[in-house]
Amino acid sequence: DAGVIQSPRHEVTEMGQEVTLRCKPISGHNSLFWYRQTMMRGLELLIYFNNNVPIDDSGMPEDRFSAKMPNASFSTLKIQPSEPRDSAVYFCASSPDRTYYGYTFGSGTRLTVV
Amino acid sequence: EDQVTQSPEALRLQEGESSSLNCSYTVSGLRGLFWYRQDPGKGPEFLFTLYSAGEEKEKERLKATLTKKESFLHITAPKPEDSATYLCAVQANTDKLIFGTGTRLQVFP
Repeated sequence: DAGVIQSPRHEVTEMGQEVTLRCKPISGHNSLFWYRQTMMRGLELLIYFNNNVPIDDSGMPEDRFSAKMPNASFSTLKIQPSEPRDSAVYFCASSPDRTYYGYTFGSGTRLTVV
Repeated sequence: EDQVTQSPEALRLQEGESSSLNCSYTVSGLRGLFWYRQDPGKGPEFLFTLYSAGEEKEKERLKATLTKKESFLHITAPKPEDSATYLCAVQANTDKLIFGTGTRLQVFP
């Protein structure tokens, strides 16, 4: 299995632009999580899905952030408009169930907003 | 508020010099405590899950222990390849994992 696949690996964009991050979870995993990592705050859960349904989006910073999971093999995290404070590494992770045993992270997308 | 604190922030060890990393937590209704390893430019990699006080788990040179207030990750005779950031996370009465900010470990030959 190729693991959790995220794209792009790096993204540099100008303030105000729309940014879309993509994730392909491991086949058969029915939970998907989006995290953001910064030096100051560490790893923060933004949103998670179970069976393609958003369960908890209380970690989404504000209305500029949105996430979708149209099917079991694809999810997107969109930021519109982007701001410099959104600069961070964004991780996607998947799990075979709603517990965290066997929780697999992707390699992340490093986002820089200038 | 559920909280996880890891110490020290950074640790430098000589190869073979054993030590421990600390993870203290405040959580209502602990369902599990997790240790992950993160290498630069990569996502966290799962190491252990501990569910109840007194539980211990081992993997090669690593041993994780759990009490009602904290967890330790003991590293015995570390090697340079053990250099990484070690993350602790707790799962409380929700499906969320709350992570600490990690301990950055460097092992020198």
